[in-house]
Amino acid sequence: TQLLEQSPQFLSIQEGENLTVYCNSSSVFSSLQWYRQEPGEGPVLLVTVVTGGEVKKLKRLTFQFGDARKDSSLHITAAQPGDTGLYLCAGDRYGGATNKLIFGTGTLLAVQP
Amino acid sequence: GAGVSQSPSNKVTEKGKDVELRCDPISGHTALYWYRQRLGQGLEFLIYFQGNSAPDKSGLPSDRFSAERTGESVSTLTIQRTQQEDSAVYLCASSLAWTPPGQPQHFGDGTRLSIL
Repeated sequence: TQLLEQSPQFLSIQEGENLTVYCNSSSVFSSLQWYRQEPGEGPVLLVTVVTGGEVKKLKRLTFQFGDARKDSSLHITAAQPGDTGLYLCAGDRYGGATNKLIFGTGTLLAVQP
Repeated sequence: GAGVSQSPSNKVTEKGKDVELRCDPISGHTALYWYRQRLGQGLEFLIYFQGNSAPDKSGLPSDRFSAERTGESVSTLTIQRTQQEDSAVYLCASSLAWTPPGQPQHFGDGTRLSIL
């Protein structure tokens, strides 16, 4: 059973366009992390959101945690070819005691120059 | 400082052989995690260690998979009698501790395993 569903699965856009990636669940998470993974490398942490309704900005990337802590979104403004990669959300279960993360299904983004 | 190191980076072997994958976590990180990733997909949790013990082995797909950690450092993931469906990238991650939740995990670049 996949607890975290990401959409879309694949996204190919032109440089300069905006996009949003969604991470949805029926479960509540204490916190949610977003990672980016480039080919041949391991995922790299972009941000952690911990409070329902929280919004964090990282340059052209805006992350939001849903009020109910069941979903999250990643918005990229004016995408660049360097944004290309696999975006993964990962959450830890509400009430869990450990750092065991549940990873989403992934969104593969390709930004064409 | 060194990050998480995994070896080998690539492994090609014949069906039925045993393979051993190695992970060197960041020094001082007590928690260590193994994941499996199929092409273009998310990460599938296999097992994690707190120190040298493994409180959660629930993700290991079958009894052909085992893992150990020694000296609160290096970990090895062993797959016995490999099958073609074992082909994937095996990723290792470490974090400072296994509790509380929400701590960042630092990943190695993975071992790409191909079973012929």
